[in-house]
Amino acid sequence: AQSVTQLGSHVSVSEGALVLLRCNYSSSVPPYLFWYVQYPNQGLQLLLKYTTGATLVKGINGFEAEFKKSETSFHLTKPSAHMSDAAEYFCAVSGRSSASKIIFGSGTRLSIRP
Amino acid sequence: SAVISQKPSRDICQRGTSLTIQCQVDSQVTMMFWYRQQPGQSLTLIATANQGSEATYESGFVIDKFPISRPNLTFSTLTVSNMSPEDSSIYLCSASHLEAFFGQGTRLTVV
Repeated sequence: AQSVTQLGSHVSVSEGALVLLRCNYSSSVPPYLFWYVQYPNQGLQLLLKYTTGATLVKGINGFEAEFKKSETSFHLTKPSAHMSDAAEYFCAVSGRSSASKIIFGSGTRLSIRP
Repeated sequence: SAVISQKPSRDICQRGTSLTIQCQVDSQVTMMFWYRQQPGQSLTLIATANQGSEATYESGFVIDKFPISRPNLTFSTLTVSNMSPEDSSIYLCSASHLEAFFGQGTRLTVV
């Protein structure tokens, strides 16, 4: 079975500060890992994904995440927060077969202080 | 990349009625998934729809309540049957986890 734990349901940072959203996963098989963003009243947008290869994954809008197998983590970071980054962020995990389903974490709401 | 179109984008329905949500993908995909996002919560998988076979439902979801069709590799429908206010949610479809793309969702309000 697979699961995802997002630490912190709400994170608040100042504009220009580092953004760090934490995600730990549990999987009995090598996983695929995802980060999604959801802006108010909108659908889900894929920020980045890890499948194989380089463990540091760069995504859209300046976000990146690092897959750390030893820590079973896939934390999302951005060096400098922008007001437009305020949204809900979801970490997700799936297996590697085409029949694998995506399991979502509970989400972290990111607020940006002026 | 895949583009997913969902219809309707939102609806307000009377309790006891049914609503069918359509999901169209602009390319052929093996697997499609239907999720529910209740207000202020994360996404919960309802079922996996594979073309040519019956959908596979997650614990807590049944075919009588959420019948799904998958007539070809680019299209699927989810019906929410005999609706109650507790069914008020956003319903999202997703195409093949490897691509991990989602439609914009259907915001359903049951009154």
